[in-house]
Amino acid sequence: QVQLQESGPGLVKPSGTLSLTCTVSGGSISSSNWWSWIRQPPGKGLEWIGEIYHSGSTNYIPSLKGRAIISLDKSKNQYSLKVNSVTAADTAVYYCAKNGDTGGWFDPWGLGTLVTVSS
Amino acid sequence: EIVMTQSPATLSVSPGERATLSCRAGQSVRSSLAWYQQKPGQAPRLLIYGASTRATGIPARFSGSGSGTEFTLTISSLQSEDFAVYYCQQYNKWPVDFGQGTKLEIK
Repeated sequence: QVQLQESGPGLVKPSGTLSLTCTVSGGSISSSNWWSWIRQPPGKGLEWIGEIYHSGSTNYIPSLKGRAIISLDKSKNQYSLKVNSVTAADTAVYYCAKNGDTGGWFDPWGLGTLVTVSS
Repeated sequence: EIVMTQSPATLSVSPGERATLSCRAGQSVRSSLAWYQQKPGQAPRLLIYGASTRATGIPARFSGSGSGTEFTLTISSLQSEDFAVYYCQQYNKWPVDFGQGTKLEIK
């Protein structure tokens, strides 16, 4: 079965760039699927950030105002998230997740990784 | 954006009893509604999609119902492992939206 695992720095300075990678195992990232990033600020709810298709097409939540970029690395079966100009409001647990085969739900999810924005 | 409102914010129920959680959408999402369970320190787990279809491996005590703007997640006989936070999510209209969650706690 497909499994996902996030990796990346846990601490980013304000105005810097958050960079995370999701490694997919048990399945190919080149399959006909969308792959998403979702975040959860400490003690708060879930926010979908964006998604990428196996072709490289992307969609992002408008509220990020162009700060986010999602990319694919098919040779490593990975996809990545970069968010620039980060502030404390970007502090959250970041999850990668596979979109549903026939709909916009998410399953499975990675374990999540906490990214703190602080100087 | 579609506002997803979950109620109640906290629900206290005794083990073995039934729990009923509600999710209301600000506009119709047809049957494009999913439910997730999240335990402390863990990632959310998909329970229900299509408003009423259980995900793989989800026990039959979990059931979902509703369409349009009103949805319900029912847990028929609460087990100790069911006490967690539950989120609904609409995927009828882009971008997807999550509710704020219902915390199910032991009474």
